[in-house]
Amino acid sequence: DTEVTQTPKHLVMGMTNKKSLKCEQHMGHRAMYWYKQKAKKPPELMFVYSYEKLSINESVPSRFSPECPNSSLLNLHLHALQPEDSALYLCASSLGQAGNQPQHFGDGTRLSIL
Amino acid sequence: AQSVAQPEDQVNVAEGNPLTVKCTYSVSGNPYLFWYVQYPNRGLQFLLKYITGDNLVKGSYGFEAEFNKSQTSFHLKKPSALVSDSALYFCAVRDAANQGGKLIFGQGTELSVKP
Repeated sequence: DTEVTQTPKHLVMGMTNKKSLKCEQHMGHRAMYWYKQKAKKPPELMFVYSYEKLSINESVPSRFSPECPNSSLLNLHLHALQPEDSALYLCASSLGQAGNQPQHFGDGTRLSIL
Repeated sequence: AQSVAQPEDQVNVAEGNPLTVKCTYSVSGNPYLFWYVQYPNRGLQFLLKYITGDNLVKGSYGFEAEFNKSQTSFHLKKPSALVSDSALYFCAVRDAANQGGKLIFGQGTELSVKP
């Protein structure tokens, strides 16, 4: 079992829907990350939160909106997505944003856009 | 700029034989190096890291990796492969001089271990 929990595991939505992905960790980590991963490709960084503040936004389209309500939770709000946004969305956390800290990943939400 | 290369898309090994998954990197400063494994329908699992010190790093599930500064390599190894080791493996690097910088992943190597 992973220590980073993501819900839902699967999500199918239309291009006009609004949905949210959730991520939770109770390891006391202060850095949290959203990644997008296509099949058999490396994860692509989307957002980084450090101490609940947005630290990095990798020029992600505004139809993806992150939120960090507290140090244990990370959300990704989705609106008006495109078919090319279908992918596995991974959440990760690390003790801090320092370079020597390994990131711990959840099992992801598999998103399909109709 | 930082980069990671995994020169082999796929590695095939017989069960019980040693395995090596190759990784080379490029950073301007000292590297922090990581290996992750991804099983089907799962997230990435951290295997091991090199930060400083001993060039041979031991990690989870019997894996180890050797840091070679002159060859800028960090190859993943296991003395005796198991069928259950079949998965997608990612090498990743961060530049120690850029503490808040993002983790750069290689393209991944698919390891297939046959009985």
